[in-house]
Amino acid sequence: AQTVTQSQPEMSVQEAETVTLSCTYDTSESDYYLFWYKQPPSRQMILVIRQEAYKQQNATENRFSVNFQKAAKSFSLKISDSQLGDAAMYFCAYRPIINSGGSNYKLTFGKGTLLTVNP
Amino acid sequence: NAGVTQTPKFRILKIGQSMTLQCTQDMNHNYMYWYRQDPGMGLKLIYYSVGAGITDKGEVPNGYNVSRSTTEDFPLRLELAAPSQTSVYFCASTQPPFEAFFGQGTRLTVV
Repeated sequence: AQTVTQSQPEMSVQEAETVTLSCTYDTSESDYYLFWYKQPPSRQMILVIRQEAYKQQNATENRFSVNFQKAAKSFSLKISDSQLGDAAMYFCAYRPIINSGGSNYKLTFGKGTLLTVNP
Repeated sequence: NAGVTQTPKFRILKIGQSMTLQCTQDMNHNYMYWYRQDPGMGLKLIYYSVGAGITDKGEVPNGYNVSRSTTEDFPLRLELAAPSQTSVYFCASTQPPFEAFFGQGTRLTVV
């Protein structure tokens, strides 16, 4: 079974600084997607960034970028120039691309990292 | 596009009562999911569906039931509510291999 581990329950960063959130996962699949979702106090789940495992290039979205290490099964999120609006719970998630082994495109989440941004 | 719509947003139930959480999506997605979110535990999969008429259990299905009679709707039924079902519930839909879209969640309290 796939598992996703976020080892940092809480992190804090100063406004305008850079912070990195960690995520590791376990899978026997070779093709899959990885996601980072943001959940602000409004509770809405917002997609931050997506990485396809078959792509070697790390995904970037404005101030958000990932460090994807497939062999190490690591998928960290870097937030540059942190803003007060970045304060939220961040979830790492995994989903296989191929519907095999009964996985049925299940989206598996880590337990989340609560990010605080200090002014 | 409304995306994924969940109702209600909040609900208080008494122990032993029943209720249905509604979920509708207008994106013609085949895959739909129900998750529950408990503090410090992330999101756990309750049930999911790969298309109309097909549902399957996730990690924590006990105490819940689902149906999928149409592509758009995926209601979650709680029978005989228990305090352990106090949680925030999320419905999501996706058309693989793309990302999942989530409803705004339902905060349920069982007292």
